[in-house]
Parts: sequence; C-alpha cells; structure tokens
Amino acid sequence: AAGVIQSPRHLIKEKRETATLKCYPIPRHDTVYWYQQGPGQDPQFLISFYEKMQSDKGSIPDRFSAQQFSDYHSELNMSSLELGDSALYFCASSQQISTDTQYFGPGTRLTVL
Amino acid sequence: ELKVEQNPLFLSMQEGKNYTIYCNYSTTSDRLYWYRQDPGKSLESLFVLLSNGAVKQEGRLMASLDTKARLSTLHITAAVHDLSATYFCAAGGGADGLTFGKGTHLIIQP
Repeated sequence: AAGVIQSPRHLIKEKRETATLKCYPIPRHDTVYWYQQGPGQDPQFLISFYEKMQSDKGSIPDRFSAQQFSDYHSELNMSSLELGDSALYFCASSQQISTDTQYFGPGTRLTVL
Repeated sequence: ELKVEQNPLFLSMQEGKNYTIYCNYSTTSDRLYWYRQDPGKSLESLFVLLSNGAVKQEGRLMASLDTKARLSTLHITAAVHDLSATYFCAAGGGADGLTFGKGTHLIIQP
C-alpha cells in the first residue's frame, strides 16, 4: 500500500539558513499534519491542513510557514534556522471520512550546524 | 489545553511476562491512539479507539478505552523481544493535531 512520502530524508543546514521540507500524502487523503520530534522527545504538533486550508495550528514558530497545494502535497518552509531546530520532522496524512487515523511518513532529519 | 500522561516512562521486562501501560488525558477527546516507534524510525499506528469501552487486539497487544475515567491502557501479553520499542498514546485527532504522551520506552529481555 502507498505510504506518506517525505523529502529530503536528511538535510544539513547552517544557522540562519532556510530549509524546505516536502510531503506527499497517501492518495485520497485530504488532511496533512506536520510534527517536530526532538531527540528523546514526543512528537509536537506544528500545523495541519484540510482540503488545502489551514485547519489547526500548534507550536509552530513564526519563522516557519507551511501550505498545501492543489495536488494535496504540502511544504514546510523554515527560515532563520537555529540550532534548536535540529529534529526529526514528520508529515502525517489522514482521510476525514474514515477513522481518520494519522499515518506518518518516514520523516526528515534536519541538522542545523 | 489537552494534556496526555503516560506511565511508566521506562519499562524493562522479561520475555513471557505480562504488563500494562497507562495513558491518562485531561479533557474530553473523541479518539485515543496508540503508536509504536523504533529508534530513529517513523511512528507506526497500532490502534485507534473511538468510543467508551472500546477494546482492540492485535497479536500480543490489546488496547482499551474508558472515556469516563479518561484512561486508556495498552496490555502486553507474553512479551517477546520484538516488541521492544517506544509506545506513545495520543489524543485529539480529526483535522486537529494529536497531543502525545511522553512515551513508554519498553525493553524486553530474553
């Protein structure tokens, strides 16, 4: 079965640089979520989109922004990167009409030097 | 603000033993989820519990939900080494983000 696709899988950036993470949800899923997981931490919800509109907002820094496009893929844009932004970033997708289990992608490991 | 608490946070047990992980949440939630995560890997959905009294089982794992007590449990029966992982419960859902517990780091020793 098709799964959530994230790219890139690994990313190394310098402080104050920008980064763009991409997420391709499972086909026919209408909701996309972004989470950040620091080392040894639980995942923290950042933001979600339902049918291309922002649905819910969590602890997303003002330096970050995200959007969902017409083909349902989503991008997380991160600017003025800080050392503390180093983490695993997960995208998840779900289908609201069903049990809406959130299925997680493999994650992007971002390292800020 | 929804808060989710798991206990224990760390559990070391022997193969063949039974144990239960507890998950409490602070406010009414429509759904309760359990996920498994291996080190450095993604989160794998185990169960979604949608109503009071819901019980789901998959292999040696069984999850239940008591919405009145705001409590979910994940019971492990006759543990095997392959079940070693971190287990997260989470509440919320729908188009909203999930709030996760801190996770239970489970080690099962031969």
